Amino acid sequence: QIQLVQSGAEVKKPGASVRVSCKASGYTFPNHGISWVRQAPGQRLEWMGWISTYNGNTNYAQKFQGRVTMATDTSTRTVYMELRSLRSDDTAVYYCARDGNYDYAWGYFDYWGQGTVVIVSS
Amino acid sequence: DIQMTQSPSTLSASVGDRVTITCRASQSISSWLAWYQQKPGKAPKFLISKASTLQTGVPSRFSGSGSGTEFTLTISSLQPDDFATYYCQQYSEYSWTFGQGTKVEIK
Repeated sequence: QIQLVQSGAEVKKPGASVRVSCKASGYTFPNHGISWVRQAPGQRLEWMGWISTYNGNTNYAQKFQGRVTMATDTSTRTVYMELRSLRSDDTAVYYCARDGNYDYAWGYFDYWGQGTVVIVSS
Repeated sequence: DIQMTQSPSTLSASVGDRVTITCRASQSISSWLAWYQQKPGKAPKFLISKASTLQTGVPSRFSGSGSGTEFTLTISSLQPDDFATYYCQQYSEYSWTFGQGTKVEIK
């Protein structure tokens, strides 16, 4: 079965960086891209960006441009999301989700990881 | 960014009720709309794409309709497993954006 398994919870200080991983199984990894979506407490879901697992091409939401980097490792079927210069309002659950084919994002997310809690606090 | 607004924010209903949730976009998104169901502490579950295409495995009591700026998600006969929060999401243009959610609770 298709699964996306994310890394564990993180607690970071303001100004630090966090890296969350997402390991895929159950499908042909390079055939589908991955999007990252976050959900702050009591807030709506927020799309952060997309990466092609075939060639590493990315498309970041303007809000996160310059602060986020997404990367893919085909050998381990893992996608990474790094967010820098963390602020308290980055406290959220971060999800990876399957999105698109090898070349472009579909824009909707058919399988999701279990979520990774990131807390930013001094 | 395209703004997505759902109504109502909370809906109280009983098992067996017909339930309708509305989602409005701030500009036309054609039929580029998805629906998700989320239960507390869990990841969203994908229900519908392209406004009305039910995903494999989703019960037929769920249906979606609409185009342009106004969309609906209908549950024809509410079941105990359906009490959850529902989100619409547009994928007409970057950045993809979500509605604020509609919580369906037990009456």
